[in-house]
Amino acid sequence: GENVEQHPSTLSVQEGDSAVIKCTYSDSASNYFPWYKQELGKRPQLIIDIRSNVGEKKDQRIAVTLNKTAKHFSLHITETQPEDSAVYFCAASKSQGGSYIPTFGRGTSLIVHP
Amino acid sequence: GAVVSQHPSRVICKSGTSVKIECRSLDFQATTMFWYRQFPKKSLMLMATSNEGSKATYEQGVEKDKFLINHASLTLSTLTVTSAHPEDSSFYICSAIGLAGRYEQYFGPGTRLTVT
Repeated sequence: GENVEQHPSTLSVQEGDSAVIKCTYSDSASNYFPWYKQELGKRPQLIIDIRSNVGEKKDQRIAVTLNKTAKHFSLHITETQPEDSAVYFCAASKSQGGSYIPTFGRGTSLIVHP
Repeated sequence: GAVVSQHPSRVICKSGTSVKIECRSLDFQATTMFWYRQFPKKSLMLMATSNEGSKATYEQGVEKDKFLINHASLTLSTLTVTSAHPEDSSFYICSAIGLAGRYEQYFGPGTRLTVT
């Protein structure tokens, strides 16, 4: 099955700095890579996603890059703000029986210090 | 975006009792629903995948007789934790996918289960 590794497990930055979270996956058939943000005690929220036919996607301060050859993808947050503090999960998924079932990374706890 | 609700948000039960958690898609028909378990500061662990009208597919190591899943309609799935024990205490989250072939999962707000 798919195996997703996520690093770092904890990331502490100063407000205004950039933050980068990296994930690797093992199944070359995976073709959809979402990123979720989860605040304490709340549901995971999709913040950005990328499909395998695209190398990079950007949405304001958030960007995701994908290297299919190396099987890794990264989340980049620029100009971090205290409200960006949360746990971020990457996931890799492929179609199985018509549904995309993701395999999640272990999560990265991002702390943005004001 | 699509909305998924879960009920109850918190439940405390005594050891040996059963607890039912409901997951509803409020404004779309969910072809597939997922149930996850999450320990503090840990990742989401997929327990099972359910499709409306068919038996759930359980992940390895998840006891299907202990965690009963019923996906009775395109908007409702239930998870029943039977004969709960303190080690079942956890945060349970459901998610749903709309039309078949769509990518995005919509998560419920989660249910905090505490077994005393």
